Amino acid sequence: LAKTTQPISMDSYEGQEVNITCSHNNIATNDYITWYQQFPSQGPRFIIQGYKTKVTNEVASLFIPADRKSSTLSLPRVSLSDTAVYYCLAVSGTYKYIFGTGTRLKVLA
Amino acid sequence: DTAVSQTPKYLVTQMGNDKSIKCEQNLGHDTMYWYKQDSKKFLKIMFSYNNKELIINETVPNRFSPKSPDKAHLNLHINSLELGDSAVYFCASSQDVRRGRLEKLFFGSGTQLSVL
Repeated sequence: LAKTTQPISMDSYEGQEVNITCSHNNIATNDYITWYQQFPSQGPRFIIQGYKTKVTNEVASLFIPADRKSSTLSLPRVSLSDTAVYYCLAVSGTYKYIFGTGTRLKVLA
Repeated sequence: DTAVSQTPKYLVTQMGNDKSIKCEQNLGHDTMYWYKQDSKKFLKIMFSYNNKELIINETVPNRFSPKSPDKAHLNLHINSLELGDSAVYFCASSQDVRRGRLEKLFFGSGTQLSVL
């Protein structure tokens, strides 16, 4: 199972773009990079998933370079409500989803 | 309509007691999970059931016993509670991991267990 490494915490101001990088040096060929978001007092929720290049949805963008050893979650123009813990996972069609400690993003006014 | 619901939301109890946490999902999913989250936000899988069959059993003390009466329910019973059991316990579900496809996990809102 691929291990992911991400910063423990980040601060940002409202309206800024936030980029959270995740390292996954031993990612497997069939692993997808997946991000979950956890608000205080709630369970994590899926936000985006990708294999390579760029994926964008209504919440975020995910950039994965060709070597796939790292990836970057980009949150455009964050607001206070984006304050949460963001988890990066490398997943395939297996049973285990390893969440790790995540990145605590704090958005300041 | 809550997709994954777990009860109770808060559980405060004394060391040595036995307690249960219940989980139900109305998504029609075949796979359910229990995760434990510590104070540093580390989220660790404990158990997983697929259609009432245990498929993941991580290194968890045998004081923890999951029970799945049907595929929509996965309960967690904890015997002889210890201080170190204090954490937030999350139930989750996904469609069917045995199909070998990427699965999205849907989580409940957690049960905050405090052992005094």
